[in-house]
Amino acid sequence: AQSVTQLGSHVSVSEGALVLLRCNYSSSVPPYLFWYVQYPNQGLQLLLKYTSAATLVKGINGFEAEFKKSETSFHLTKPSAHMSDAAEYFCAVSPNSGGSNYKLTFGKGTLLTVNP
Amino acid sequence: ETGVTQSPTHLIKTRGQQVTLRCSSQSGHNTVSWYQQALGQGPQFIFQYYREEENGRGNFPPRFSGLQFPNYSSELNVNALELDDSALYLCASSSVDRGIETQYFGPGTRLLVL
Repeated sequence: AQSVTQLGSHVSVSEGALVLLRCNYSSSVPPYLFWYVQYPNQGLQLLLKYTSAATLVKGINGFEAEFKKSETSFHLTKPSAHMSDAAEYFCAVSPNSGGSNYKLTFGKGTLLTVNP
Repeated sequence: ETGVTQSPTHLIKTRGQQVTLRCSSQSGHNTVSWYQQALGQGPQFIFQYYREEENGRGNFPPRFSGLQFPNYSSELNVNALELDDSALYLCASSSVDRGIETQYFGPGTRLLVL
């Protein structure tokens, strides 16, 4: 069974500082990996996805993530935080089975706060 | 905007009642998935429908059921509501690009069971 662990339920950074949100996965084969963002009282918005094409994935809003198979990690980074980045971030995994890879398994989320 | 809409936005029910939540997917997306997100938790997979048939199910009891219609709309039905069913319910429609499925989420329906 696949699982996702997000280290740190709450991360606080200053505006302009580096954002680093951690995600580790457990899977027998490298899965597909996703980062979603959820603003208050809204649904989930896709930030970026890893599908084995390239280990460094660039997403929207200046975010990127690097897939490291040896560390089973897919950490999300942004060089300079903006106040508008304050939200909850979810890492998710789906099977890389070549067939219907439907089920997304989510981590518990990391709440990012950005201080002025 | 993902092009996925859900109704209603909020709903209050009492224990034992039944509820129907609705989702309208993006045109051309044949797959819809439903998730339950309890407060402070990540979304949990309920089930997925593909071309009007259930295509996979998570660890939810049979009182959670669904329907998908040819016009890219779908429903989640929950019978015999329990207090623990209080949550945000999200639907997601899927696009497939080079064999890889990506799910796009609607804004959710927040259900409160009293």
